[in-house]
Order: sequence, then structure tokens, then C-alpha cells
Amino acid sequence: QKEVEQDPGPLSVPEGAIVSLNCTYSNSAFQYFMWYRQYSRKGPELLMYTYSSGNKEDGRFTAQVDKSSKYISLFIRDSQPSDSATYLCAMKLGVGGFKTIFGAGTRLFVKA
Amino acid sequence: GEEVAQTPKHLVRGEGQKAKLYCAPIKGHSYVFWYQQVLKNEFKFLISFQNENVFDETGMPKERFSAKCLPNSPCSLEIQATKLEDSAVYFCASSQREPTQETQYFGPGTRLLVL
Repeated sequence: QKEVEQDPGPLSVPEGAIVSLNCTYSNSAFQYFMWYRQYSRKGPELLMYTYSSGNKEDGRFTAQVDKSSKYISLFIRDSQPSDSATYLCAMKLGVGGFKTIFGAGTRLFVKA
Repeated sequence: GEEVAQTPKHLVRGEGQKAKLYCAPIKGHSYVFWYQQVLKNEFKFLISFQNENVFDETGMPKERFSAKCLPNSPCSLEIQATKLEDSAVYFCASSQREPTQETQYFGPGTRLLVL
């Protein structure tokens, strides 16, 4: 069983839709949760970073962490064609040099 | 600089040849990470450094892979006697340590093709 499970998609939505991306994990020791966006042939870029259970909002993006269920989500409101990318959930045991464990990534297509 | 730099962008090697990849982290960042991305999305952690010291090397295939981060030099990842399954994009990332927040900045990757 993988430590982090993420549906690879692809997920196709019309422009303006609300997108919901999810990951589950098995290691309850994970403390830090991230969402990265990766465009084709580029390195990932950090979108959201959360530490505790609950919601965190940044513009059109909301990250949700439910540690009791070992479940994290990323919501994208008013999706745009420029949001088309692969979204990777990731988590760490600690800050600093601790390794990041990534999900498989979900490919998102937002149609104009 | 403000970006993680990786060289070369592309590398082609025959099976059994050596491959060496380089990474210049963002100036002032204490941590460097190497990841392997196979089949487009599967990211695998290889190794992390705190300055020039190995922090976590649990992802490294130790028989053929080695890495260094020496002062005043780019970090390097070396693969001795490459195998076909080493074909992947190798990403380097760097970060500072902050108590409650962390951002890992990724480089553009080195695409290794082993024939």
C-alpha cells in the first residue's frame, strides 16, 4: 500500500467550475501537508501549505486537512484554463530536511 | 540567485555509463533535496542535505547512486553504471528552515534517458 493515495485522473471540467482534488494517507505521523502544481516539463511549484487540521484559504484555492480521517483536499473556485496542470499532494513528518512524500498527481483540464 | 538551477537539461547515456547531474540551490537555502520522477507523475525522494551534511538518504539506491553538496560548489547526483530504469526526470529542490512554514523551490529538472 502506498503511503499517499491520489487519483491520477484525468479530471476535465468546464471553465468556472469548482474543482475538488483529494488525497488519503496512511501514516498518522505526517504533520505538514502541501499541494503543488506542476505544468508540463516544469518543476512543481508550491500552492498551499498547511500544518493543522482545518481549512486554509488563498485566493481561489482552499486547502482542507482532516487528520482524524487522514484525508486532505484542495478546492479550486472559478477554475480557469490556466489552472490546467497536474496537482500533487505532498506531506512531511517535519520541516527542514525531512523527505516529502508525494501523491501520484491528478491531471486537471479546464476547458474554455 | 532566486531560482534553483539544474544542469544539464537533458542527458543521454548508454546502459552502463556514468551520469552526473548538478544543482545550484537558491543562495541562503540550507536544505537541498533530490527527487526522481518516473512515468510523469511518480515522485520518489532520493536524498536530502542540510548544508553539506546528508540529512536523509533513505531513498537512495546505494549501490549505484551517490550525492554530494560541498561548500562553494553545485550539489551533484551521480549514477554509476546506469540502467534502463534510471530513465527519469531528476528534480532538485532547496528550502530554508522556518519553524511553521516551509517552501521547497524546485528546479526545472534534468531529463535522463538511458538507452
